[in-house]
Amino acid sequence: DQQVKQNSPSLSVQEGRISILNCDYTNSMFDYFLWYKKYPAEGPTFLISISSIKDKNEDGRFTVFLNKSAKHLSLHIVPSQPGDSAVYFCAASRHGNEKLTFGTGTRLTIIP
Amino acid sequence: DAGVIQSPRHEVTEMGQEVTLRCKPISGHNSLFWYRQTMMRGLELLIYFNNNVPIDDSGMPEDRFSAKMPNASFSTLKIQPSEPRDSAVYFCASSIGRLNEKLFFGSGTQLSVL
Repeated sequence: DQQVKQNSPSLSVQEGRISILNCDYTNSMFDYFLWYKKYPAEGPTFLISISSIKDKNEDGRFTVFLNKSAKHLSLHIVPSQPGDSAVYFCAASRHGNEKLTFGTGTRLTIIP
Repeated sequence: DAGVIQSPRHEVTEMGQEVTLRCKPISGHNSLFWYRQTMMRGLELLIYFNNNVPIDDSGMPEDRFSAKMPNASFSTLKIQPSEPRDSAVYFCASSIGRLNEKLFFGSGTQLSVL
């Protein structure tokens, strides 16, 4: 049972444009969400997070939006750069539990 | 800090053999996680430890998998006997262990079971 879903395995975006990566979750107990970025032959690295008490969190070119009623979150990258080409994982956790549940990942390719 | 260190980086073995993956967490981190990455299921949590004690091993797929953390600076994940379907990338991660603290991942072990 995949509690965190990333339905787009891949996405290609022109350099300078906006990249939007989507994530859906089924467990209504999740209240903390994170995005990780992974380059080939490396481990995932933390990118940005959001608590369920917020609906938006911004860090430079990266913004995460949370829609609790739809159980949906998205990561916006503006403007997209070639170095953003990577696999992006969405993750979620429950209050009081440090265990993270990850999605299957979306491979983002930025086209120069 | 050197980060989370995993060894080996690559492991190729034959079906039925024992495989041992190793992990050294970041010094001062008291939570350690073992994840497995596959195309179909993404990153799956196998087991995690807090203060060297296993907290949740519900993700360990079968009795063939076992994990230990004998001290704060070392953990192993063992597969015995290994099977071709165990082929995947295995990641170790550590965190300070406070709620919502982000995880730091190692570079992973690419396991191929022939």
